[in-house]
Amino acid sequence: EVQLVESGGGLVQPGGSLRLSCSASGFTFNDYAMHWVRQAPGKGLEYVSTISSTEGYTYYADSVKGRSTISRDNSKNTLYLQMSSLRPDDTAVYYCVKSQYSSSWSLAHWGQGVLVSVSS
Amino acid sequence: QSALTQPASVSGSPGQSITISCTGTSSDVGNYDLVSWYQEYPGKAPKLIIYEVFQRPSGVSTRFSGSKSGNTASLTISGLQAGDEADYYCSSYAGTRTIIFGGGTKLTVL
Repeated sequence: EVQLVESGGGLVQPGGSLRLSCSASGFTFNDYAMHWVRQAPGKGLEYVSTISSTEGYTYYADSVKGRSTISRDNSKNTLYLQMSSLRPDDTAVYYCVKSQYSSSWSLAHWGQGVLVSVSS
Repeated sequence: QSALTQPASVSGSPGQSITISCTGTSSDVGNYDLVSWYQEYPGKAPKLIIYEVFQRPSGVSTRFSGSKSGNTASLTISGLQAGDEADYYCSSYAGTRTIIFGGGTKLTVL
């Protein structure tokens, strides 16, 4: 069974930094692209970032580009999202998501999400 | 990029069929057969119910079906059940190595 468990969320002040982690199990982690998607309270889903399976190519939404870095450690089956210069509009539940196929843009399995609150 | 356009809400009675539209542009929905649909219950993570326009993941009911015409994709739920009441989101590959989502549609089963 695919399991994705996010951690690292919490309350951070504007301008601060945070690193989210996602521990993956139940599948061959290094065979799949992985994504971060967020959802602000009471709002819809918003794409954040993608990292390819082995080459480590990275892609970002314009809203986080330059302020966030996605990475992965295939030896630890773990996905990361380093966020800096955080703003109140970054407040959201952040989901770690596995692709349907190795390089798919369909989001097949979602973690339970981790809340990031940016407030003074 | 603007979000894909979905109706804010749709409703139907048990047993009926409903369709949720998802309108994009020729740069996303119209250019790629990479539209997905997700079902989200309050307080829960989204669940993939349709991918690549009309494909169903294993375990998803055949009552859910997807299609696309031009820049608009559609999700149809037939034989509506009370348990289908949820929020539904579409997404598409956006052609720039990113994904674009719709604003979401709240389905109410009357």
